[in-house]
Amino acid sequence: AQSVTQPDIHITVSEGASLELRCNYSYGATPYLFWYVQSPGQGLQLLLKYFSGDTLVQGIKGFEAEFKRSQSSFNLRKPSVHWSDAAEYFCAVGAPAAGNKLTFGGGTRVLVKP
Amino acid sequence: DAMVIQNPRYQVTQFGKPVTLSCSQTLNHNVMYWYQQKSSQAPKLLFHYYDKDFNNEADTPDNFQSRRPNTSFCFLDIRSPGLGDAAMYLCATSRDQGLHTEAFFGQGTRLTVV
Repeated sequence: AQSVTQPDIHITVSEGASLELRCNYSYGATPYLFWYVQSPGQGLQLLLKYFSGDTLVQGIKGFEAEFKRSQSSFNLRKPSVHWSDAAEYFCAVGAPAAGNKLTFGGGTRVLVKP
Repeated sequence: DAMVIQNPRYQVTQFGKPVTLSCSQTLNHNVMYWYQQKSSQAPKLLFHYYDKDFNNEADTPDNFQSRRPNTSFCFLDIRSPGLGDAAMYLCATSRDQGLHTEAFFGQGTRLTVV
């Protein structure tokens, strides 16, 4: 069974500073990997996805993530954070052999200081 | 334009009184999912439909049922809501179960049990 770990529950970052959110996964085959963002009281919005190919993927809102098979990681980065990036971020692994069901990490809440 | 629509956005129900949450999609996707997200937790898959085939997660309580009368609509029925069922319920769709497909989420329905 697949699993996802997001080691950081909360991260506080100053506006304009860089951001990196960590994600480690466990899956027996090549995973599908996703990062979603959730604002309070809202649904999940897809930031970016990795299926195969180039291990550095670009997403919306200036985010990127790098798949590192050797480390079982899929960390999310943004060079310069905006106040509107304050939200909860979820990393997820999809299992193509099991209905593409998503297993989510526990989430990282990002707070942005002015 | 909204592609996965959940109604209502907020639902208050009485303890033990059956309640139904609704999800519709304009994407013509084959797969529809229901996730439960309790406060400050990750979304957890309850069940999913691949076309008309229903797939229940092993640990989903019997209190939760689902119906999919056609491609566009899917319902979540909670037969006897308890206080522990208060959560955000997220509907998602996916074009297929196969390769390189992603999930699209609705805005969620926040259920309060009184």
